[in-house]
Amino acid sequence: QLQLQESGPGLVKPSETLSLTCTVSGGSISSSSFYWGWIRQPPGKGLEWIGSIYYSGSTYYNPSLKSRVTISVDTSKNQFSLKLSSVTAPDTAVYYCATAAAGTGFDYWGQGTLVTVSS
Amino acid sequence: DIQLTQSPSFLSASVGDRVTITCRASQGISSYLAWYQQKPGKAPKLLIYAASTLQSGVPSRFSGSGSGTEFTLTISTLQPEDFATYYCQQLNSDPLTFGGGTKVEIK
Repeated sequence: QLQLQESGPGLVKPSETLSLTCTVSGGSISSSSFYWGWIRQPPGKGLEWIGSIYYSGSTYYNPSLKSRVTISVDTSKNQFSLKLSSVTAPDTAVYYCATAAAGTGFDYWGQGTLVTVSS
Repeated sequence: DIQLTQSPSFLSASVGDRVTITCRASQGISSYLAWYQQKPGKAPKLLIYAASTLQSGVPSRFSGSGSGTEFTLTISTLQPEDFATYYCQQLNSDPLTFGGGTKVEIK
């Protein structure tokens, strides 16, 4: 059974870079069966897909965030990471990492981590 | 981007009721639609994928139907643990998008 766990700072200053890591256990991040994604949810609001990375290393980003987002994989640590640059208050949200098999929806999620953008 | 419109956005129902939630896509997405349930403070839980395939472990009172641009999630007999917010998501094309959510509350 796959388990995902987000980690990273809970407070980021405006204009700085938000950095989060998702540690995967119970399976290999190199598996061709899955892709890995980041989703966020501002307080009291709906879900927004940030981007995904495939086992091949191919990345796909939400165009609304594409200029500020980088998702990468560290296979040696079985982790994948999110970097979001030049953050502002609207980037305050619970950030989730999740995984999916192609076309099936995200079936394993981390517990989520609240990141607040404030000085 | 493909927009997903859920209706209603809020639903008040009683235990034992049959509940139907609709998700409409701004363009055809074949059957590339998933449904999630989210409870306060928790991550979303995948209920249904490919529009009508029940995720393993999900009770059979949940069902999904539709293809193209119109989809429905039905809870045949609402249980106390089903009071939550439900989201649809399209996986037809990037950017992946979610519907705005339907909050199911106790009448």
